[in-house]
Amino acid sequence: IAGITQAPTSQILAAGRRMTLRCTQDMRHNAMYWYRQDLGLGLRLIHYSNTAGTTGKGEVPDGYSVSRANTDDFPLTLASAVPSQTSVYFCASSEGGELFFGEGSRLTVL
Amino acid sequence: QKEVEQDPGPLSVPEGAIVSLNCTYSNSAFQYFMWYRQYSRKGPELLMYTYSSGNKEDGRFTAQVDKSSKYISLFIRDSQPSDSATYLCAMSKGSNYQLIWGAGTKLIIKP
Repeated sequence: IAGITQAPTSQILAAGRRMTLRCTQDMRHNAMYWYRQDLGLGLRLIHYSNTAGTTGKGEVPDGYSVSRANTDDFPLTLASAVPSQTSVYFCASSEGGELFFGEGSRLTVL
Repeated sequence: QKEVEQDPGPLSVPEGAIVSLNCTYSNSAFQYFMWYRQYSRKGPELLMYTYSSGNKEDGRFTAQVDKSSKYISLFIRDSQPSDSATYLCAMSKGSNYQLIWGAGTKLIIKP
C-alpha cells in the first residue's frame, strides 16, 4: 500500500522558476493538505482541500497555488520561486482526524 | 507568542530511561491532542491521540492532558534507540478544525 506519494524527492531550483510538487494518494481520503516544515517553526499549513473541486488557504498561502481536480491528486505550484520558499514540503491526507503524510519533497531555491 | 510551545531539544537520554516530552498551549478551546513521531527524512506518523483531559496508554507510551494547566505530555518507558526521532505535538478545537502544531522535540536515545 503506497499511501501518499510525493515527487520529486528533492529539487534545486533557480529563483524565478515555476515548480510543481506532485502528490498522489491511494486511500480515497476526501481531505488533503500541503505543509511546509522549517527548523524551529514546525509544520505550517499552506493550502488544504476538504474534497475534490474545493480548496482553501492555510496559514502561509502566499506564493503557492493548488488544484484538486480529482480525489487522488493534489499538486502544489510555486509560480515564481523565491529563496524563502526553501523548505521541506509534506503532502498529507486525513481520515477520522488522523493525518497520513508523504515522505516529503526537499526544495532548495537559489 | 505561539499558540503551541514545544522545546526543540535535542533531548539526549540513555537507553532504558523514562522520557518526558511536553507541550504547552494558550487556547482553552483545544479538545483534541495528538503526538506524532517523525524519523529523519520521513513524514510524521500518528503515535497517540487523546480527546479532552486524562491519560491514555499504549504499550510503552503514555499521553497525558492537563487542560487546567494547558499542558500535555508524552511519556516513553524503557526507551530504546529506535525511539530516537522528532516528536511533534498537535491539537485542534474539533475534528473539523485544522491542527495547530508544536515545533517538535528531537529525542536521542543513546545505547
